[in-house]
Order: sequence, then structure tokens, then C-alpha cells
Amino acid sequence: SQQGEEDPQALSIQEGENATMNCSYKTSINNLQWYRQNSGRGLVHLILIRSNEREKHSGRLRVTLDTSKKSSSLLITASRAADTASYFCATGPLYNQGGKLIFGQGTELSVKP
Amino acid sequence: NAGVMQNPRHLVRRRGQEARLRCSPMKGHSHVYWYRQLPEEGLKFMVYLQKENIIDESGMPKERFSAEFPKEGPSILRIQQVVRGDSAAYFCASSPGGTPYEQYFGPGTRLTVT
Repeated sequence: SQQGEEDPQALSIQEGENATMNCSYKTSINNLQWYRQNSGRGLVHLILIRSNEREKHSGRLRVTLDTSKKSSSLLITASRAADTASYFCATGPLYNQGGKLIFGQGTELSVKP
Repeated sequence: NAGVMQNPRHLVRRRGQEARLRCSPMKGHSHVYWYRQLPEEGLKFMVYLQKENIIDESGMPKERFSAEFPKEGPSILRIQQVVRGDSAAYFCASSPGGTPYEQYFGPGTRLTVT
């Protein structure tokens, strides 16, 4: 069954608020990555966290990884209207050294000005 | 440094025709991945290639689909005898190595089968 299921499926917030998206997965991973996709466009890589890391920051983004619970969260602080997009987590399976990623269904974030 | 290039951006084919999708990876990247995105869904891995080699094709449908990454030129995803269910966005990504490198995605090719 599919890895990387995001929760919630959709999230609507006001500009300036924080947005938290969660991702759960089922099997052992080498790494977990978060991507953003604007409507009708390609994916933009946001952040990669390795299985031996617990937290990572990049600008207004904060990612946590709990391998015991097989879950990750993406926090976007002080959201902006430009953050409106779909957000996907993607896992790199531990026993696949080829680098393929398994994507979740995504969370659709809407930030209202 | 140009990003991942895909062409065409939009492709319309009638049922039974062939579709050829091209992907040029970022300069210096020798690893190419193809993913398919159906409407309202996440991306599904199809195939992973290095120059002249298919490394992992576990996500490729058994029939009608093939992929190559020749020594010279772009990677090609080929779909023979397209059916309506092949309508989707096809994304190519490249990376400088295998896991655990981040992947850089192209803008995608939107295939519509009529």
C-alpha cells in the first residue's frame, strides 16, 4: 500500500497564521522529502530529512521526523498568500538504493490574504 | 544552469496513436526518473534510468510503455497505442546521484488522449 499519506487533505488559513501538515508512512525509509506543487506546474523541492535526523529548518519551514511513529510534519510559519499550493511528502524506501520516491496524495493549502 | 526540460508541454493523441515524451535532465545529472500524476492524485513512480541503463522499472505498466536514456540526447518515455486512461501529467526528475539526493522536477507533459 502507498507510503506517505498526508493529513489533512485540505487546509485553509489566513495570511500570517502557521500551517501544519502531517505525513505518515508504512515501511522503513532512507529519507523523507517535502515538495510543493502550484496548480498545473511542476514540483519544487522544499526540504529533505534523512532517517537519522529528527528536525530540519529552512527559512519559514520546519520539518520533523519521528521514525518510531513513521510520521513527519511540515510547519510553515507566518504563511503568505504565495504559499497557496499542494504539498506532498515523498519517501525514499530504505531497501531501494535506486532513489525512487513514493509520494502521498498531498495536502492542498489555501492561504487567504 | 537550466532546469529539467520536458517537451512537449501538452500533447494530444487519439486512441491507438503513439506518444513520445522527452526529458533533458539538469546539467551534470545522470539519474532520471519518470512519474505519472493522475488528476487529483499524487505522483506515482514509473521508471528510474541512468545513461543507457534501466535501473528500476517497477512502476511501469507491463505493456505499451517503454523508456530509454541514450548515451546522447534526452530521455524518452514512449507510450504505444494510447488509451484514454493514459491521460495524465507525466513528470521527469533528475538528480546527481541515487538516494538520498533531492530530485529536481521538470514542468511536466500533459497528455490528453481523445
